[in-house]
Amino acid sequence: EVQLVESGGGLVRPGGSLRLSCAASGFTYTAYSMNWVRQAPGKGLEWVSSISSSATYLYYADSVKGRFTISRDNAKNSLYLQMNRLGAEDMAVYYCARTGRSGSYDEYAFDLWGQGTMVTVSS
Amino acid sequence: QLVLTQSPSASASLGASVKLTCTLSSGHSSSAIAWLQQQPEKGPRYLMKLNSDGSHSKGDGIPDRFSGSSSGAERYLTISSLQSEDEADYYCQTWGTGFYVFGTGTKVTVL
Repeated sequence: EVQLVESGGGLVRPGGSLRLSCAASGFTYTAYSMNWVRQAPGKGLEWVSSISSSATYLYYADSVKGRFTISRDNAKNSLYLQMNRLGAEDMAVYYCARTGRSGSYDEYAFDLWGQGTMVTVSS
Repeated sequence: QLVLTQSPSASASLGASVKLTCTLSSGHSSSAIAWLQQQPEKGPRYLMKLNSDGSHSKGDGIPDRFSGSSSGAERYLTISSLQSEDEADYYCQTWGTGFYVFGTGTKVTVL
């Protein structure tokens, strides 16, 4: 089955750190760029970070630049997001999403999503 | 600055049609977008990628009831023969070099 499964969310104190993981299955993971998108409670979708298929290119939203680090392990079909210096503004459901394959019609669109993992920032 | 504008809400009766609009900011009228559906308490689902000429490619398993079209800076998603499971939030998405943008979303209510 083609799917993305996030994990690692939880409760963290302001200023703390958390590492999210995303396990990919059912497709050739190494052929795709990957992304993290978040959604604060009752709010819309916000792009967080992207990584190219071979991790050559990394991109971040201004709101997380310098605090979050995206990475991937192609041998384990896994995507990660290391989040440091967390604040209340980071509290959200975090989704892992796949970018449409380069050269395909779906290129650039986020064509596969996980179910999300909740990050709660509170003292 | 690349911005996507969507109306907050739309509604239509069961079995009717509804047309949602996503408007690209000035200077970006030739950009492609993607439409996403998010049912309550679920992750988003990819519906289609929509080009400026109205051509579109739907994701796997997306019913024929969902179609896309374009006019100028506006991108449309039409849902025909509305079903109860179509009650959801609908987002448009676009992209530039090294960044992605989402619209604010439209909540569709099936009456």
